[in-house]
Amino acid sequence: SQELEQSPQSLIVQEGKNLTINCTSSKTLYGLYWYKQKYGEGLIFLMMLQKGGEEKSHEKITAKLDEKKQQSSLHITASQPSHAGIYLCGADYNTDKLIFGTGTRLQVFP
Amino acid sequence: GAVVSQHPSWVICKSGTSVKIECRSLDFQATTMFWYRQFPKQSLMLMATSNEGSKATYEQGVEKDKFLINHASLTLSTLTVTSAHPEDSSFYICSASVGTGGTPYEQYFGPGTRLTVT
Repeated sequence: SQELEQSPQSLIVQEGKNLTINCTSSKTLYGLYWYKQKYGEGLIFLMMLQKGGEEKSHEKITAKLDEKKQQSSLHITASQPSHAGIYLCGADYNTDKLIFGTGTRLQVFP
Repeated sequence: GAVVSQHPSWVICKSGTSVKIECRSLDFQATTMFWYRQFPKQSLMLMATSNEGSKATYEQGVEKDKFLINHASLTLSTLTVTSAHPEDSSFYICSASVGTGGTPYEQYFGPGTRLTVT
């Protein structure tokens, strides 16, 4: 079974709408990373969360880590076509490596 | 800062040949480099972790004799796919880190290399 699950797998929204992507871990996280990937390209680092209850924002993207440190959400406000891509969460389980979630493919149409 | 490059960006090779992919940290020294594989519409799967000057640590199910990793310097790691077969066709991404493990640290990702084996 997958240690890190993301939902939904894909999302199609109209420009201007808000959306949320979830990342759920089967065990406690030491850290949680959010990345964005355009098809066929590398990963762009978005945010890193470490503390339970932590919330960070960058432009129109907000990420939160729950108090139990097993679930994170990524929220995009007033989505734009430039937000389209694949969003990946990466888990740090204190093992020197990142384990990636299943990914969420986001499409934003005008 | 923290730029990681990969070369080539895409490569097509014939079945049975070997292909080398380079991963370079351009403006920092990378203590650790990671190699990932990504199939279409799927997430990144870690293949191996390499530390400069030591043997790579491979994930379960990854053939070390098929995917040779060399981390010769603090700025360069190479992945060689030996005797490539069509099932090795994939998107290979490397990342580099200045961390030594144990605590959270950022990984900087390369742009990826698309390998097609015919």
